[in-house]
Amino acid sequence: DAKTTQPPSMDCAEGRAANLPCNHSTISGNEYVYWYRQIHSQGPQYIIHGLKNNETNEMASLIITEDRKSSTLILPHATLRDTAVYYCIVRSWSGYSTLTFGKGTMLLVSP
Amino acid sequence: DVKVTQSSRYLVKRTGEKVFLECVQDMDHENMFWYRQDPGLGLRLIYFSYDVKMKEKGDIPEGYSVSREKKERFSLILESASTNQTSMYLCASSLTENTEAFFGQGTRLTVV
Repeated sequence: DAKTTQPPSMDCAEGRAANLPCNHSTISGNEYVYWYRQIHSQGPQYIIHGLKNNETNEMASLIITEDRKSSTLILPHATLRDTAVYYCIVRSWSGYSTLTFGKGTMLLVSP
Repeated sequence: DVKVTQSSRYLVKRTGEKVFLECVQDMDHENMFWYRQDPGLGLRLIYFSYDVKMKEKGDIPEGYSVSREKKERFSLILESASTNQTSMYLCASSLTENTEAFFGQGTRLTVV
């Protein structure tokens, strides 16, 4: 599976958009980009995923560059409850599926 | 809602004990995973399974084994617990490679 690179931490003001970047320059054609988050003392929670098109759901938007080497997770109106570690993962299928986490980005949303 | 249930939230065991961590999912998922999470190291994959009785080593399988006798249940076994296996253990399941994985709440294991 391709590896990902994320900034270790980011800050965001409550009510503003949080844009979390992820670099996955070695991604291959059959690998999906997934985003999860983990609020303190809980299990990770799925946010969104995509292959090459931009995606949006009720939680967030995912923007994937045309060359697929990077992506951005957008939380349009961050709240204090969005404070969490955000993980960007690329996931492939090669007879079986793995899910490898990096160290993620600690997003701190402040009042 | 999909539910992934881990048998214990907190567990304290003695060095040398055999420890079983149980995980059950209720959505007929093919894939199941065991991770451990340690401060500064993130989530590290121990073992995963893509079918009943099938298992694959993850990044840190040493000191662990797994069992998947039924589709819904994936057990992590510490044959002889050691203090360096004190950690948060997380179980997850997913249907396929292009569907999301669901995580349990975790088991915080302390080996003394």
